Amino acid sequence: DQQVKQNSPSLSVQEGRISILNCDYTNSMFDYFLWYKKYPAEGPTFLISISSIKDKNEDGRFTVFLNKSAKHLSLHIVPSQPGDSAVYFCAASAQGGSEKLVFGKGTKLTVNP
Amino acid sequence: DAGITQSPRHKVTETGTPVTLRCHQTENHRYMYWYRQDPGHGLRLIHYSYGVKDTDKGEVSDGYSVSRSKTEDFLLTLESATSSQTSVYFCAISENEIMTYGYTFGSGTRLTVV
Repeated sequence: DQQVKQNSPSLSVQEGRISILNCDYTNSMFDYFLWYKKYPAEGPTFLISISSIKDKNEDGRFTVFLNKSAKHLSLHIVPSQPGDSAVYFCAASAQGGSEKLVFGKGTKLTVNP
Repeated sequence: DAGITQSPRHKVTETGTPVTLRCHQTENHRYMYWYRQDPGHGLRLIHYSYGVKDTDKGEVSDGYSVSRSKTEDFLLTLESATSSQTSVYFCAISENEIMTYGYTFGSGTRLTVV
């Protein structure tokens, strides 16, 4: 049973517009969430994280929103740039991050010039 | 970049042969992990280690074994490779279990079993 779900395999946006990537989770014990970005032929790299005690975390153009009641989080990229084109993985952990990361299947973002 | 390297980067092997992938870190991190990435499945945990000679199974451990005799090295072995083990394998490290910055991943090993 998939605990972390990214239901959109792909997303295409225009440069300068907002990209919104979504992630849903089923395990109510998850309390720490991360987003990773992955370019082809490279390993995933950490992008941004959020603890369940918050509902929003910003880092430059990237903002993650957490809706605990809906078990949903989203990553907003504003403005989107062609260099943001990559696969984005949502990941979750339980017990304040002391449990191992569980990853979603990923969403491939394409930002068109 | 964190000092984590995987070898080999690419390998083609025949069904039934043993294969060992190596992950080497220079960060002296306690925790090390092996994941595989497959289309439609994302990243799935194979095995992990929380210290020298301390390892445990992950979500998809069947057909794989691991060893960690030194802090810096974490080996993944396919005892008898099968075509279903064709995948991209990623090693990851973390300093502790607190998810402050998550894991740091290596560049991956692309394994093809023919």
